[in-house]
Amino acid sequence: AQRVTQPEKLLSVFKGAPVELKCNYSYSGSPELFWYVQYSRQRLQLLLRHISRESIKGFTADLNKGETSFHLKKPFAQEEDSAMYYCALPYGGSQGNLIFGKGTKLSVKP
Amino acid sequence: NAGVTQTPKFRILKIGQSMTLQCTQDMNHNYMYWYRQDPGMGLKLIYYSVGAGITDKGEVPNGYNVSRSTTEDFPLRLELAAPSQTSVYFCASSRMTGNTIYFGEGSWLTVV
Repeated sequence: AQRVTQPEKLLSVFKGAPVELKCNYSYSGSPELFWYVQYSRQRLQLLLRHISRESIKGFTADLNKGETSFHLKKPFAQEEDSAMYYCALPYGGSQGNLIFGKGTKLSVKP
Repeated sequence: NAGVTQTPKFRILKIGQSMTLQCTQDMNHNYMYWYRQDPGMGLKLIYYSVGAGITDKGEVPNGYNVSRSTTEDFPLRLELAAPSQTSVYFCASSRMTGNTIYFGEGSWLTVV
């Protein structure tokens, strides 16, 4: 069955430190993957998607098919990065409804 | 630019009561979704719709009903509310599957 796993419920780092939020998925083909973010008192919104290969707010994510991972990285965390982060995978890999991971709460301390 | 608007934001229901969560979007999106999020869990899809007049079950549809009479509106009805339905509910829309999903602000529902 398709699944998205975010092993860390909470990740706490200091400002300026590198951050990596882990995401592993189970899907046998070439999936499209997404990272969504929810800042405090804001709605859930798209951060970035694999297919666009963009860097958004300094975050990047690389699809590693060998490790079935799509980890979200940022070299220097900022306090405003504190939020809930959700990794998501479409049913069927690209066109289906999204399956979300349980989310990781990132806390960036001053 | 309102995007996805859902109401109410907060509601307390008694066991056995019924209610409807309203959702409307002004982006002319074909696809609309209802998710629920339980504490410490990811979002789970309740129902979705690919266009007016078409709805389909998601992962956790039991205890809910939906309708899609217009492109803009996708209400979620809870019949005979149960404590297990205490959750945060998110309505969302997208132009099509695989595209960016736009979420509402969420509705906090408590069943006591």
